[in-house]
Amino acid sequence: GQGVEQPDNLMSVEGTFARVNCTYSTSGFNGLSWYQQREGHAPVFLSYVVLDGLKDSGHFSTFLSRSNGYSYLLLTELQIKDSASYLCAVNSAGNKLTFGIGTRVLVRP
Amino acid sequence: NAGVIQTPRHKVTGKGQEATLWCEPISGHSAVFWYRQTIVQGLEFLTYFRNQAPIDDSGMPKERFSAQMPNQSHSTLKIQSTQPQDSAVYLCASSLENQAPLFGEGTRLSVL
Repeated sequence: GQGVEQPDNLMSVEGTFARVNCTYSTSGFNGLSWYQQREGHAPVFLSYVVLDGLKDSGHFSTFLSRSNGYSYLLLTELQIKDSASYLCAVNSAGNKLTFGIGTRVLVRP
Repeated sequence: NAGVIQTPRHKVTGKGQEATLWCEPISGHSAVFWYRQTIVQGLEFLTYFRNQAPIDDSGMPKERFSAQMPNQSHSTLKIQSTQPQDSAVYLCASSLENQAPLFGEGTRLSVL
């Protein structure tokens, strides 16, 4: 089966960075996706990774280590508006997603 | 591009009543997914269609829940005899082949 684990909460300071960790165990892995979700709104797609290593997308970067079942989302130059929940999801056959519970990131001044 | 459209945004039903939720996927997307989100369980997969055919309904409660996709422009999720534990946000998503699913804003179902 699939298990996706993330910390519940993370606090950081405006202008610095935040790293949201995700570990997974899976019987079928086609890739890993990250979504941002604000209260009362839909999850918004941020990044999809399938190869090991760091994928730099500017404000958001993602890292994947398939052998360790580990990924992280790195948010740099944090702004207050980055406060949101960040969801890690494993993509399996058919593009079906298995989500973690989400990490609530709070950026304070 | 209007994105995935879900209606209604909010629905309140009494215990034992039926609820039907609607989803209009993004035009041209071949896959349509239904998820349910609660504070305790997070986002849980329910079912999905590819080219209107049901592919995987492993997340659907076997009784009371059903989903259809009668044409490429809409899908429905029906819950019969709703119970308080069915209260959740029901999210629909669609995708092209091998691309990340894009979500609608969801329907918040409250069963009293």
